[in-house]
Amino acid sequence: ETGVTQTPRHLVMGMTNKKSLKCEQHLGHNAMYWYKQSAKKPLELMFVYNFKEQTENNSVPSRFSPECPNSSHLFLHLHTLQPEDSALYLCASSQGTDTQYFGPGTRLTVL
Amino acid sequence: RKEVEQDPGPFNVPEGATVAFNCTYSNSASQSFFWYRQDCRKEPKLLMSVYSSGNEDGRFTAQLNRASQYISLLIRDSKLSDSATYLCVVFPSGGGADGLTFGKGTHLIIQP
Repeated sequence: ETGVTQTPRHLVMGMTNKKSLKCEQHLGHNAMYWYKQSAKKPLELMFVYNFKEQTENNSVPSRFSPECPNSSHLFLHLHTLQPEDSALYLCASSQGTDTQYFGPGTRLTVL
Repeated sequence: RKEVEQDPGPFNVPEGATVAFNCTYSNSASQSFFWYRQDCRKEPKLLMSVYSSGNEDGRFTAQLNRASQYISLLIRDSKLSDSATYLCVVFPSGGGADGLTFGKGTHLIIQP
């Protein structure tokens, strides 16, 4: 399935690095999401974009910066992360409040 | 109280058996409910929506009990390929993508 793609699939970065995660959806959806999945914790919603406008920011630290240039692309810019930010970062998309479809995720390790 | 609670398991079940697990939610105004399945190191995928009248999809049956605020998933004639983590997902309100809440998931292991 290639409805929602994410790159890279794996990323290792130091605390002083700057990197970006990319998500692209090919489903014609108008809403996109970033989630964080840490070990032994439920999925945490980070950001929501509807029609390219950010509608949700769940108290996410400023070292995570989202960008949605159009309804098909979503980025998550990372800088000065902490080791506890190591997790699986999942992108999802939906048409309005319909079912969300997830990308394969980026497994991030912060050293 | 956590918003969405699930028994993390693991549930170890022999192949062919029937297994059921529940999920409870705290927000009585919740309107939409889903079960997602997540395989190890993979993304969550929608298994089925949960409707007030209950719904069935092959070997899978989902039930909603609004009075007691729980959702159940029943798997009949379990297969080895059913081994996965099952995530309960709740939309606290009828509209708006924000507020989507996931449970931690129930880990199911089907044994040959």
